[in-house]
Amino acid sequence: GAGVSQTPSNKVTEKGKYVELRCDPISGHTALYWYRQSLGQGPEFLIYFQGTGAADDSGLPNDRFFAVRPEGSVSTLKIQRTERGDSAVYLCASSPKNTGELFFGEGSRLTVL
Amino acid sequence: AQSVTQLDSHVSVSEGTPVLLRCNYSSSYSPSLFWYVQHPNKGLQLLLKYTSAATLVKGINGFEAEFKKSETSFHLTKPSAHMSDAAEYFCVVVDFGNEKLTFGTGTRLTIIP
Repeated sequence: GAGVSQTPSNKVTEKGKYVELRCDPISGHTALYWYRQSLGQGPEFLIYFQGTGAADDSGLPNDRFFAVRPEGSVSTLKIQRTERGDSAVYLCASSPKNTGELFFGEGSRLTVL
Repeated sequence: AQSVTQLDSHVSVSEGTPVLLRCNYSSSYSPSLFWYVQHPNKGLQLLLKYTSAATLVKGINGFEAEFKKSETSFHLTKPSAHMSDAAEYFCVVVDFGNEKLTFGTGTRLTIIP
């Protein structure tokens, strides 16, 4: 079966622009996570959905970052007024509830010039 | 808050020799611990997990890890390294209160032919 799919795989944008990153989780997985990985670092937690609701958004760095999952499947991470420091690989993962095992996509690499 | 510390940012071993990647954890209660592997340009993949059953955990590709509460450690080992083991390895602690994963900073494993 299909794994977690993330689009775009690469995005280059200019400082101040708006960006959307999309995640298609594995069918039937109720939990969906967004992580951010900067060069040479481990993935950093951003937000976690259980179904349609954000169960924990404590990792979102500021109010420029927002994520939605309106129908409990596909999720979109939205970044407003991008800054150069937002450049990173944004990872999405999904999980069957309560297993602790995450299935990761290959990430969306965001470069802000 | 739970956390993990990976003691080596980079480990190099010769092909056919043992691998040891070190991880220490900090947790106020018995944690759930994972190792994930990230090959170049690939998504993160679960290698093995400890969830308070047997303290010696076997994973994929011949890797195993031992949970030692007295040492607060969860080191990853493999008896004989293979060229295909070259990758970045992350030690992870899971907060089952909200299923949030916290990653270590990673250890890059290089295999010398």
